[in-house]
Amino acid sequence: GGIITQTPKFLIGQEGQKLTLKCQQNFNHDTMYWYRQDSGKGLRLIYYSITENDLQKGDLSEGYDASREKKSSFSLTVTSAQKNEMAVFLCASSIPGTGYFGNTLYFGEGSRLIVV
Amino acid sequence: GQQVQQSPASLVLQEGENAELQCNFSSTATRLQWFYQRPGGSLVSLLSNPSGTKHTGRLTSTTVTKERRGSLHISSSQITDSGTYLCAMVNNNAPRFGAGTKLSVKP
Repeated sequence: GGIITQTPKFLIGQEGQKLTLKCQQNFNHDTMYWYRQDSGKGLRLIYYSITENDLQKGDLSEGYDASREKKSSFSLTVTSAQKNEMAVFLCASSIPGTGYFGNTLYFGEGSRLIVV
Repeated sequence: GQQVQQSPASLVLQEGENAELQCNFSSTATRLQWFYQRPGGSLVSLLSNPSGTKHTGRLTSTTVTKERRGSLHISSSQITDSGTYLCAMVNNNAPRFGAGTKLSVKP
């Protein structure tokens, strides 16, 4: 079995600061995703990537940058942290395509962003 | 607008009762995937099916993609089933999630 590792688990930064979250997967999946989850709410898609060096904007991409330099890793940068951005950021990966297992998501443990 | 809508938003059951959670989506989907999340916890995949009915343990997922709806049935609920159940709509784009159903099972 594989695993998705997100670092750090907690990221504390100051308002206006640029902050980066990292995600590594050893499933050898092509597609990776970043979602944001606000307290008590569902997940909103920020960015996803269908292969190395590819980037696709999600529904909440403004204020974020992403980078997929290797197949196994996908990083997310908050360009200027704001207090209303305190949330849990979840990384996921999946097999591409529409076959039986296509697009089944596997998630990491999450990274909590705290802005002071 | 919201692409995936889940109902009810919250549900309180007595232990042993059954639960029926609904998921409706606004565009074409190839499958629905159901997840479970404890407060402050990570997401655990429960069931993923493109259409028809799929079972695992006390869980039954039914997806009717033509009608843009799906459901998750939990039979004989247990206290440890308490938590949030999230539905994800999967198509050729990235999966989109509903806001979840918060389930509380009381003794």
